[in-house]
Amino acid sequence: GAVVSQHPSRVICKSGTSVKIECRSLDFQATTMFWYRQFPKQSLMLMATSNEGSKATYEQGVEKDKFLINHASLTLSTLTVTSAHPEDSSFYICSARSAYGGDNEQFFGPGTRLTVL
Amino acid sequence: QKEVEQNSGPLSVPEGAIASLNCTYSDRVSQSFFWYRQYSGKSPELIMSIYSNGDKEDGRFTAQLNKASQYVSLLIRDSQPSDSATYLCAVKRSYNTDKLIFGTGTRLQVFP
Repeated sequence: GAVVSQHPSRVICKSGTSVKIECRSLDFQATTMFWYRQFPKQSLMLMATSNEGSKATYEQGVEKDKFLINHASLTLSTLTVTSAHPEDSSFYICSARSAYGGDNEQFFGPGTRLTVL
Repeated sequence: QKEVEQNSGPLSVPEGAIASLNCTYSDRVSQSFFWYRQYSGKSPELIMSIYSNGDKEDGRFTAQLNKASQYVSLLIRDSQPSDSATYLCAVKRSYNTDKLIFGTGTRLQVFP
């Protein structure tokens, strides 16, 4: 149980284009999903917290107009990197927390490696 | 001072030995603590969670929590080369937030 998928796993795009990344909880419902970014040899940095049916909460320093997050259902959240630039190249990872029970654990998706040329 | 601190390593241990990974946190009201394992190029995988002072064992893994010292550790018994990875300590501050604060991770190398 507690499987989270991400699509695509890897994407290469030209500078200025937009990229959409999907995060799905496959066997549980997630009221809350999280989006992280990880640069090489660094730890995970939380970008935003996504709650089903409401606007995402962005961390300080993260541009909400550049990183659009939509959490349309209890099993799907999307992150769109708009007008991507080479400095946006990173490993983007989502995680999900179960809607039920007292568990505090977050379960991570496999990540999406974005390369902007 | 970072909220969650870990020694970046690498920590090198021989196969079969006990690997001891340490983590300190600054926010005294933190409630929940997690250890994740991350292989190179992969996303983190949850190993252990611990919420109360003391030890919690799961197979070869033991998590230890000391809230008075603001210290959490992970022991890996009978270390295997497949345990070689970066181990991330994560802390959840309180009951009314879902946010995890991650340390920078400790790289563990288990050599045959």
